[in-house]
Amino acid sequence: DAGVTQSPTHLIKTRGQQVTLRCSPKSGHDTVSWYQQALGQGPQFIFQYYEEEERQRGNFPDRFSGHQFPNYSSELNVNALLLGDSALYLCASSPTVDRSSYNSPLHFGNGTRLTVT
Amino acid sequence: GESVGLHLPTLSVQEGDNSIINCAYSNSASDYFIWYKQESGKGPQFIIDIRSNMDKRQGQRVTVLLNKTVKHLSLQIAATQPGDSAVYFCAETQNTGGFKTIFGAGTRLFVKA
Repeated sequence: DAGVTQSPTHLIKTRGQQVTLRCSPKSGHDTVSWYQQALGQGPQFIFQYYEEEERQRGNFPDRFSGHQFPNYSSELNVNALLLGDSALYLCASSPTVDRSSYNSPLHFGNGTRLTVT
Repeated sequence: GESVGLHLPTLSVQEGDNSIINCAYSNSASDYFIWYKQESGKGPQFIIDIRSNMDKRQGQRVTVLLNKTVKHLSLQIAATQPGDSAVYFCAETQNTGGFKTIFGAGTRLFVKA
């Protein structure tokens, strides 16, 4: 049973370019969340997708966008890259839950290390 | 804004001793709390969780304590081993019309042999 998989593992981009990161959730999970983790810091919530729609969003600019496909996989897109976008981008999945009472932990992939030069 | 914070950025313990990692949260509406362990080059890994209607939960060598009165969460690791060396994050899940999990800055645990 595969866990959360992310691709690519490492990526180097130039300032101003655009990047797309990909995530396949754990089998049986339908909700995908994306996080940005700067070096030495905790993961910062970017957004969450469920039923192919963005359901929650953190304090990130519109340069950060995403998509969820019918098979629950997801993409994170970042436009007009800045040096400050250099970070580890983590994808996490979780199963369908009772929406009135959340009680399931996130399952994380090992991330994509993005370096912007 | 709301955030989850930690009292200590680093913790060093002797192998075999017990470790205690503390965390403060500020959102009284949060009702689900999780501890994660992150090793170098890997994503966070679930350790243990607790709902707000509980004050203690035990797992294998780990115990989580929740004090809602002072908004404090702690992780206790019994008989700490070298393999426990990692960064530990507490996280809270907030219901804001949907659910999102917010992480603290983390505590790095060093286990001395």
